[in-house]
Amino acid sequence: NAGVTQTPKFRILKIGQSMTLQCTQDMNHNYMYWYRQDPGMGLKLIYYSVGAGITDKGEVPNGYNVSRSTTEDFPLRLELAAPSQTSVYFCASSYSGLGVTQYFGPGTRLLVL
Amino acid sequence: AQTVTQSQPEMSVQEAETVTLSCTYDTSESDYYLFWYKQPPSRQMILVIRQEAYKQQNATENRFSVNFQKAAKSFSLKISDSQLGDAAMYFCAYRSAILVETSGSRLTFGEGTQLTVNP
Repeated sequence: NAGVTQTPKFRILKIGQSMTLQCTQDMNHNYMYWYRQDPGMGLKLIYYSVGAGITDKGEVPNGYNVSRSTTEDFPLRLELAAPSQTSVYFCASSYSGLGVTQYFGPGTRLLVL
Repeated sequence: AQTVTQSQPEMSVQEAETVTLSCTYDTSESDYYLFWYKQPPSRQMILVIRQEAYKQQNATENRFSVNFQKAAKSFSLKISDSQLGDAAMYFCAYRSAILVETSGSRLTFGEGTQLTVNP
């Protein structure tokens, strides 16, 4: 039972490079989320999706893009990486409905130099 | 917008003792959910306990219990018989109970409390 998986675990990017953080869940969850966690801080929502083909911005969307072509996958794209995007990125998913827990992936640590 | 505040950046407790972590939140909604998540050094986010605002009874999960004071907008976590494995960052989180198809069920997190357990 894999749950939510994220790749890569760690990545170093140079300023201006682009990359895609992968997230896959095998629980058939409708809702998926991307959060970022800066050092010593709580998690902030970047983007979320309520189903395949439907995405929307969270609190801190600038510099990121997402797509949701399948129920299982929710990749996060960084275009023109900046040092301010150095963070740990968490993907999460939940089944639609009230009072349901979000399940988190193990995180991707990104360092932009 | 909702906000969640954890006023204790760091706490420490002796093994086998009890510790309480504080959380306050601000919302204009009457129905919502509150969570405590644990984040050990592995960075994995682990759900510790969940409370539905419409329930008056405080949630309990083994050694973990909450003190939910809705009028005061307070949601503290009590850890009894602390163990070395409880050492972690603890996050309080809020989720609206308003189900809107275009809003999902996003979580709003506090900034965390780093708990140290001393042997």
